[in-house]
Amino acid sequence: GNSVTQMEGPVTLSEEAFLTINCTYTATGYPSLFWYVQYPGEGLQLLLKATKADDKGSNKGFEATYRKETTSFHLEKGSVQVSDSAVYFCALTYSGAGSYQLTFGKGTKLSVIP
Amino acid sequence: ETGVTQTPRHLVMGMTNKKSLKCEQHLGHNAMYWYKQSAKKPLELMFVYSLEERVENNSVPSRFSPECPNSSHLFLHLHTLQPEDSALYLCASSQDRQSYGYTFGSGTRLTVV
Repeated sequence: GNSVTQMEGPVTLSEEAFLTINCTYTATGYPSLFWYVQYPGEGLQLLLKATKADDKGSNKGFEATYRKETTSFHLEKGSVQVSDSAVYFCALTYSGAGSYQLTFGKGTKLSVIP
Repeated sequence: ETGVTQTPRHLVMGMTNKKSLKCEQHLGHNAMYWYKQSAKKPLELMFVYSLEERVENNSVPSRFSPECPNSSHLFLHLHTLQPEDSALYLCASSQDRQSYGYTFGSGTRLTVV
């Protein structure tokens, strides 16, 4: 079945540091890939997405590239801010068997300190 | 006003109580979802409604009963819950269950005592 594996947290960085959160997936065919962010006390917000191989999703300085050869969708940001502190979820959706449900990773908590 | 609104934001209930969670979406979407988010566990899909018809039920105990009276509203009726049901319950919506991503509400933090 489909699955998503993302790096265990928590991750603590200083402001302006470079961020990478690893995400790999297992799926048959061609899933669409997503990163969601959950700020404290809130629901999930779509951060970025990519729907086919070699696509790069980007938003708010975050980027992730759909790598089919390595089945990865790592999240990166060149310079994090305190306001980026949140939990980040990698997810995929696949239309097999008529279902478009999202499969989530366990989430990675990021804390950015001044 | 956010696209998906959930009420209440917080709920404390006893194990013998009956309560309902409400979700409303203002995006014109035709699919709605209930997810359960527990500490240190992956997000769990509970129910999927497409065009007001329940299309998926992921082995959820019968003490959780969903209702979708129209494409804009989704309820989760709760009765005789257990303490392990304490979690954040998230509602989401999408258009045509396509791969454009879901829009989530802020969730209802449920505590069962």
